[in-house]
Amino acid sequence: DAKTTQPPSMDCAEGRAANLPCNHSTISGNEYVYWYRQIHSQGPQYIIHGLKNNETNEMASLIITEDRKSSTLILPHATLRDTAVYYCIVRGLNNAGNMLTFGGGTRLMVKP
Amino acid sequence: NAGVTQTPKFQVLKTGQSMTLQCAQDMNHEYMSWYRQDPGMGLRLIHYSVGAGITDQGEVPNGYNVSRSTTEDFPLRLLSAAPSQTSVYFCASSSPQGGYEQYFGPGTRLTVT
Repeated sequence: DAKTTQPPSMDCAEGRAANLPCNHSTISGNEYVYWYRQIHSQGPQYIIHGLKNNETNEMASLIITEDRKSSTLILPHATLRDTAVYYCIVRGLNNAGNMLTFGGGTRLMVKP
Repeated sequence: NAGVTQTPKFQVLKTGQSMTLQCAQDMNHEYMSWYRQDPGMGLRLIHYSVGAGITDQGEVPNGYNVSRSTTEDFPLRLLSAAPSQTSVYFCASSSPQGGYEQYFGPGTRLTVT
């Protein structure tokens, strides 16, 4: 699975959009981009995933560049409860056991 | 649905003791996994299963055993606990249907003294 690079930390004002970038320049054609987050001491929570088209669900939007070498997770109206570590993970669907390789992630701090 | 449940929430062991961490899911997911998370680190895969009766090793399998006799349950056994196994353990389940997104349990916080 491709390696990802994320900034270690970001701040965001409550109510504003949080834009979390991820670089995955070695992604291959059959690999998906997944985002998870981990709120302090809890199990990771799935947010969204995509292949090449932009995706949106009730939690967030995922914007993938046309060359697929980077993506951005957008939380449209961040709240204090969105403070968490956000992980960008690239994996192929034929990955044995559906193993997720977690990097360092981005620690998002939403401030009042 | 309860989702993924794990017991116990907390456990303290002495070096050399053995124990089993329990994990159960009620979503009829084929895939189940065990991860460990050390302080300030990301999760690392210990063992996984793609169905009842089928298990395989992940990134850090040494010192742990697993079995999968039913779809619902995937226990993790520590054979002889060591201080290096002090960690938070997360169980997860997923299915090929719906995109393989993983659902994680609340974790077991294990301390080995």
